[in-house]
Amino acid sequence: AQTVTQSQPEMSVQEAETVTLSCTYDTSENNYYLFWYKQPPSRQMILVIRQEAYKQQNATENRFSVNFQKAAKSFSLKISDSQLGDTAMYFCAVLMNTGNQFYFGTGTSLTVIP
Amino acid sequence: DVKVTQSSRYLVKRTGEKVFLECVQDMDHENMFWYRQDPGLGLRLIYFSYDVKMKEKGDIPEGYSVSREKKERFSLILESASTNQTSMYLCASSRGSGAPMGFFGPGTRLTVL
Repeated sequence: AQTVTQSQPEMSVQEAETVTLSCTYDTSENNYYLFWYKQPPSRQMILVIRQEAYKQQNATENRFSVNFQKAAKSFSLKISDSQLGDTAMYFCAVLMNTGNQFYFGTGTSLTVIP
Repeated sequence: DVKVTQSSRYLVKRTGEKVFLECVQDMDHENMFWYRQDPGLGLRLIYFSYDVKMKEKGDIPEGYSVSREKKERFSLILESASTNQTSMYLCASSRGSGAPMGFFGPGTRLTVL
């Protein structure tokens, strides 16, 4: 089985500041996809950003960007200009190219402080 | 809009009852997954299915079974519910080719008394 590790159970950031959430993973596969999901309190899991492992360019989605280091198997999420609505649990995930192996980390609880 | 739906948001059952959790996706995805989410443990894979009538055990299958009779529907069954199965249950789906992406249902919070 693949493993996904999020070493920061909880983090906080001041509103408008930048925060980085860490994720490392372990897989012997070469073709896979990496995701960050956001789960607001008592709400549905939604996709934040996605990275194809074969692409060297880091994905960016508005205020969210990733730092993907394939050799190090590291996939961190940077949130710029943090907003109160960013308060949520964030999960890092790995999905194999076949779509049938989908593994998650234990999550990082992010609180944005006004 | 793509959609994964789950039959109940909240469910309360008694110990020993048989419990059915239903998940339906409208995206014609081959792969479907059941996870349970517990604080500090993240999402743990119970079972997944890569085709109709096909299933694979995940990391914590004990006490659970699944059924996939139609492509769009994936059911999780607790044969005899126990209190340690009180949890949030999440269903997800993804396509099996091209560039897969996982979509989630809203979750079912199950309480076993």
